[in-house]
Amino acid sequence: DIQMTQSPSTLSASVGDRVTIPCRASQSISSWLAWYQQKPGKAPKLLIYGASSLDSGVPSRFSGSGSGTEFTLTISSLQPDDFATYYCQHYNRYSPTFGQGTKVEIK
Amino acid sequence: EVQLVESGGGLVQPGGSLRLSCAASGFTFSSYSMNWVRQAPGKGLEWVSYISSGTSTVYYADSVKGRFTIYRDNAKNSLYLQMNSLRAEDTAVYYCARAGGHGDYFDYWGQGTLVTVSS
Repeated sequence: DIQMTQSPSTLSASVGDRVTIPCRASQSISSWLAWYQQKPGKAPKLLIYGASSLDSGVPSRFSGSGSGTEFTLTISSLQPDDFATYYCQHYNRYSPTFGQGTKVEIK
Repeated sequence: EVQLVESGGGLVQPGGSLRLSCAASGFTFSSYSMNWVRQAPGKGLEWVSYISSGTSTVYYADSVKGRFTIYRDNAKNSLYLQMNSLRAEDTAVYYCARAGGHGDYFDYWGQGTLVTVSS
């Protein structure tokens, strides 16, 4: 199975900061990569699919980049509503895998 | 508006069984593949199972293979997860999630239902 690695597990930042969250795949996954945001007690929410396509209604301060094994989620200017945990996912129908998550906390 | 509402969670003893349901509305349920994803307390997300739109194809995580069964009733717009031989490590919030129209990412999620396996 393909492993997805997110590091760091926690990232401290301030409102207005540019934040980059990395994700690495154990082997090439082309662009079959999604990003989700999850707040405490809530279901995950899709942000990005196809490594760089913004889901409908997601603010444009979120962007995704990368292909193959290295991917990045970028928040251009961190807002108070963005403090949450972010998960990358290699998606396919038979064995999708999530990264361990990166929690963005207030500095 | 797309809505997914899970139900059926609760407290069950090790070795017991439970059936989860997910009621779908706001979209043509029969046209979409569906998934179950779980999250143990304080942990990350783990995919559990997939079922195609027409029910002909199913997949399971190794951790639940042989114990869990995914199925759906397109006439009732409902997805199910039959969980047998439950273990303590199956304790989690279980989410149903729709596979997106452009691929197999999860574009809509339910609010989740908590399953606790404990004596």
